[in-house]
Amino acid sequence: AQRVTQPEKLLSVFKGAPVELKCNYSYSGSPELFWYVQYSRQRLQLLLRHISRESIKGFTADLNKGETSFHLKKPFAQEEDSAMYYCALRGTGNQFYFGTGTSLTVIP
Amino acid sequence: GAVVSQHPSRVICKSGTSVKIECRSLDFQATTMFWYRQFPKQSLMLMATSNEGSKATYEQGVEKDKFLINHASLTLSTLTVTSAHPEDSSFYICSARRDPNTGELFFGEGSRLTVL
Repeated sequence: AQRVTQPEKLLSVFKGAPVELKCNYSYSGSPELFWYVQYSRQRLQLLLRHISRESIKGFTADLNKGETSFHLKKPFAQEEDSAMYYCALRGTGNQFYFGTGTSLTVIP
Repeated sequence: GAVVSQHPSRVICKSGTSVKIECRSLDFQATTMFWYRQFPKQSLMLMATSNEGSKATYEQGVEKDKFLINHASLTLSTLTVTSAHPEDSSFYICSARRDPNTGELFFGEGSRLTVL
């Protein structure tokens, strides 16, 4: 069965410090993984997807099949990065399964 | 980006009544929409996949007779919570894909249901 795990519910870092939001997944096939973000009073929106191998707002995420992880990283956190971050897995039936989310707070 | 709209954003109803929540894709056609339920400080739980012109696909543990889903057109899916009870109080969110190849989901703003 597919499952997405985000072990940290809350994460606080100082502005300018590196940040890493952890995501592990369980999936029998070839996974397609995403990071979604929800800023205060806004709806969920796509941040990045592993297929694109892109950097969005300074964030990157590498799919590690050996460790079944897709951790989200940014070398220098900014205050505007404070938000709720969800890791998501696209399943075989095209459904999306979300992790429990990590609330990131960047301290000025 | 694509726009998905939900209505109503908030609804309060009495126990035993039914409530309908609409999800519309405003600027694109969506053959598939997804309904999620979010408990306070918890993740989005996929309830069902709404397929235009056919029956919805429900996730395990979700009562299809309780949560009726209708996807009558390419821009509208509805979720009806039948005979609502206080435990059905939750935040319901719909999403849709504009381009199946990208896999990107566009989310509605959510609907807060409170059952008294």
